[in-house]
Amino acid sequence: DVKVTQSSRYLVKRTGEKVFLECVQDMDHENMFWYRQDPGLGLRLIYFSYDVKMKEKGDIPEGYSVSREKKERFSLILESASTNQTSMYLCASSLSPRDRVAEQYFGPGTRLTVT
Amino acid sequence: RKEVEQDPGPFNVPEGATVAFNCTYSNSASQSFFWYRQDCRKEPKLLMSVYSSGNEDGRFTAQLNRASQYISLLIRDSKLSDSATYLCVVRGTKTSYDKVIFGPGTSLSVIP
Repeated sequence: DVKVTQSSRYLVKRTGEKVFLECVQDMDHENMFWYRQDPGLGLRLIYFSYDVKMKEKGDIPEGYSVSREKKERFSLILESASTNQTSMYLCASSLSPRDRVAEQYFGPGTRLTVT
Repeated sequence: RKEVEQDPGPFNVPEGATVAFNCTYSNSASQSFFWYRQDCRKEPKLLMSVYSSGNEDGRFTAQLNRASQYISLLIRDSKLSDSATYLCVVRGTKTSYDKVIFGPGTSLSVIP
């Protein structure tokens, strides 16, 4: 079974803090993704990575950065947290070449509240 | 217009009922289509892919209508355990990467 784990289920941070969200997958997947999920808006892609040290912006990258130093780990960084970044953050991974999409396996999510 | 739209519901149906969800997409060049299921406070999981010829998996039937740019999910003989949010997922085309777009989801409650 594919397993995608995220470092925290719930996180509360103050405005202006730097926040690190960690994601680890154990199936040697090339692709990893970070989404945020908000009511009525669905999942929106923040960043994704097709390989180690490779990253590409998704639809809403502003205010976020990512790091992929090892294949199994993909980190999302909020440089200076703001209240509008309060959301559910979901990490996903998939095994696919670039020209084909395969099933995405999601982690359990991190509910981040910025006060 | 949003790229992928779904009726948010909620759909409240009795056990044993048949229920259908539609999802419309705006990019006519979209290549692949999927339905994911998300239980309350859980992560999304793939329910089924949607093929051009339509496909069935037990009580679930998925259909694609490219001309009208929508996909559908039909659930027959609803069970209490079918209660969840159903996410329509569309893979579009873009020059630099595969763009996978999730719809906002349709909420289903199956009631005894």
